[in-house]
Amino acid sequence: AQTVTQSQPEMSVQEAETVTLSCTYDTSENNYYLFWYKQPPSRQMILVIRQEAYKQQNATENRFSVNFQKAAKSFSLKISDSQLGDTAMYFCAFMSNTGNQFYFGTGTSLTVIP
Amino acid sequence: EPEVTQTPSHQVTQMGQEVILRCVPISNHLYFYWYRQILGQKVEFLVSFYNNEISEKSEIFDDQFSVERPDGSNFTLKIRSTKLEDSAMYFCASYFGTLGSGVYGYTFGSGTRLTVV
Repeated sequence: AQTVTQSQPEMSVQEAETVTLSCTYDTSENNYYLFWYKQPPSRQMILVIRQEAYKQQNATENRFSVNFQKAAKSFSLKISDSQLGDTAMYFCAFMSNTGNQFYFGTGTSLTVIP
Repeated sequence: EPEVTQTPSHQVTQMGQEVILRCVPISNHLYFYWYRQILGQKVEFLVSFYNNEISEKSEIFDDQFSVERPDGSNFTLKIRSTKLEDSAMYFCASYFGTLGSGVYGYTFGSGTRLTVV
């Protein structure tokens, strides 16, 4: 079974600074996808970034980037130039290449301080 | 950009009552899902639905739950006799079938907050 672990329940960062959220996962599969979802107070699930396991290059989306370490089964999210609107719960998620359901971590609550 | 629409956004029901949560997936999507998030906890998979039948379900999805796609557009989750512990946010999601399609191909709705009193 796939498991996703987020060891930081809460984090805070000063506006305009950089913060890194950690995620590790466990799987026996070789091909899979990893995601970061943002959940603001409205509780909608918003995709931030995704990474295909077969790609060595780390994904980037504007201020968001990942550090994907396949051997270590680590998938951290870096947010640069943090903005107040980044305040939210962030969930790391895994999806197998052979299945189509998400396995989510327990989330990290990020607060951006003005 | 296509959206997955869920109604109602918030529903309050009495314990023991039946409740139906409704979702309109993206029109050309083939796979449909329900997820649940109890307040303060992680999002958990309930069920997936493909080709008019359940393709996978979790341990949470017991006999009290059922899903159907009654008219080719709506996708519903029914809870027959609600319990207090069913109080949660319920997310519908739909998926084209390959992650290379569309906007990552997998889209969540904005959720229905179910409160059982």
